[in-house]
Amino acid sequence: GENVEQHPSTLSVQEGDSAVIKCTYSDSASNYFPWYKQELGKRPQLIIDIRSNVGEKKDQRIAVTLNKTAKHFSLHITETQPEDSAVYFCAATSWGYQKVTFGTGTKLQVIP
Amino acid sequence: DTGVSQDPRHKITKRGQNVTFRCDPISEHNRLYWYRQTLGQGPEFLTYFQNEAQLEKSRLLSDRFSAERPKGSFSTLEIQRTEQGDSAMYLCASSLGTSGGALSPPSWPKRDQYFGPGTRLLVL
Repeated sequence: GENVEQHPSTLSVQEGDSAVIKCTYSDSASNYFPWYKQELGKRPQLIIDIRSNVGEKKDQRIAVTLNKTAKHFSLHITETQPEDSAVYFCAATSWGYQKVTFGTGTKLQVIP
Repeated sequence: DTGVSQDPRHKITKRGQNVTFRCDPISEHNRLYWYRQTLGQGPEFLTYFQNEAQLEKSRLLSDRFSAERPKGSFSTLEIQRTEQGDSAMYLCASSLGTSGGALSPPSWPKRDQYFGPGTRLLVL
C-alpha cells in the first residue's frame, strides 16, 4: 500500500518568512496530492491540491510542487502570518478509489 | 450548516461497552469515508462507501468495528467491546464521485474530501 512520509514534524518561522514542508510517497499509482490544514481541535480543511499532470500550482501565498520521478511533493507558504500556525498534512491518493493516505503532519508555528 | 456533520461530538465510555457514531455527509456527495486520528498523527483510513456499497476496508478495521450506509446517505460506525486503544478522534469525510462504480474516476474538481468535525472517543 501507499506510504507517505512528511518532514519536518515541527517548524517554527518568524512572521513574514517562508515555510516549506516536504513529503514523499511510495506508490507510483498515486496521482492526486491534497494538503490539509488542521487547527487545534478542528477538522482538517483542504487548502490546496495538485494533480500528477502538473508540476506546480499556486494560490496566493501557498504553492505546491510535485516531482513524480522522485515521488516528492512540497508545500510552500510565503509571507507567513500568525494565523498560518496549525498542523499541516500532506496526503496521496489515486484514480479509481479514494483511499487517502496521510502524512504524519507538520506543526507550523509562526512567531509574531 | 450544509457541511459534513457528526454525532456525537464527544463520547466517554467504559471498556467493553459498545458505541455507535453517526455521520451525515454533504447531501449531494455519494462517497463517504471514515478515518481515525490519534494525537500527533494524521488521519488513518478505515473504510469508504460509494452510495450504499462499502468498497474498501482497512486492516485497521478489526472485527469489532462495523460500518454501514444502508440508504446511501448517512453512515454509522459501531465499535463493539471497546478497548482503551480505541480512544481517538473518528473523522468522517464525504466527496462527490461518479455513479459509475468504484473504478470510475470522479471529475477532478469534485473529488475533494470534506471532513466533519469528528467524534472524540475516550474509553476508560
